[in-house]
Amino acid sequence: GIQVEQSPPDLILQEGANSTLRCNFSDSVNNLQWFHQNPWGQLINLFYIPSGTKQNGRLSATTVATERYSLLYISSSQTTDSGVYFCAVERDNSGAGSYQLTFGKGTKLSVIP
Amino acid sequence: NAGVTQTPKFRVLKTGQSMTLLCAQDMNHEYMYWYRQDPGMGLRLIHYSVGEGTTAKGEVPDGYNVSRLKKQNFLLGLESAAPSQTSVYFCASTGWQEGNEQYFGPGTRLTVT
Repeated sequence: GIQVEQSPPDLILQEGANSTLRCNFSDSVNNLQWFHQNPWGQLINLFYIPSGTKQNGRLSATTVATERYSLLYISSSQTTDSGVYFCAVERDNSGAGSYQLTFGKGTKLSVIP
Repeated sequence: NAGVTQTPKFRVLKTGQSMTLLCAQDMNHEYMYWYRQDPGMGLRLIHYSVGEGTTAKGEVPDGYNVSRLKKQNFLLGLESAAPSQTSVYFCASTGWQEGNEQYFGPGTRLTVT
């Protein structure tokens, strides 16, 4: 199956700093999503981004599908950005459009005041 | 519009007991999924459904059964719980109107002693 690797596994930032999280995947994908899991365990959709660039406030994401990676940028980090960030991809081998996601192991971000 | 809901939020079982987790969505989505999340492992797909009355195995299906009798509900059953099934379980759904962006429920924390 498809492999998804996220880096770094852990990241500690001072409030106000910027960061870049990376997601590498081993095969071409139909779908790529970034999620934030907050300290209460809720998974929150950040971006649906199989290719191209999107921005939402202080967060932006870029996926270069031909080179099999995606980047999540967090600018001016806040303590509320703390949590785990997951990248998940879909490689549809069946052709039946079942939209199965394979998750990376995540990047744990801690933003300190 | 409640989105994706899961029942119960927490449960403790003894080894060998059975239980059913309920997932409900009110977005008229065709596709529904059950994942488990273990420390350091990201999320792994257990079973999924591409429509009412259909189910299929994911990456880690052993020890679980599922049913999708109604489009809005997806049930995950454990017939004989084992300590290895201690985990946090997430349900997700998506549909044609979403492209294939998945939306997640709040999770169920299950402990098997």
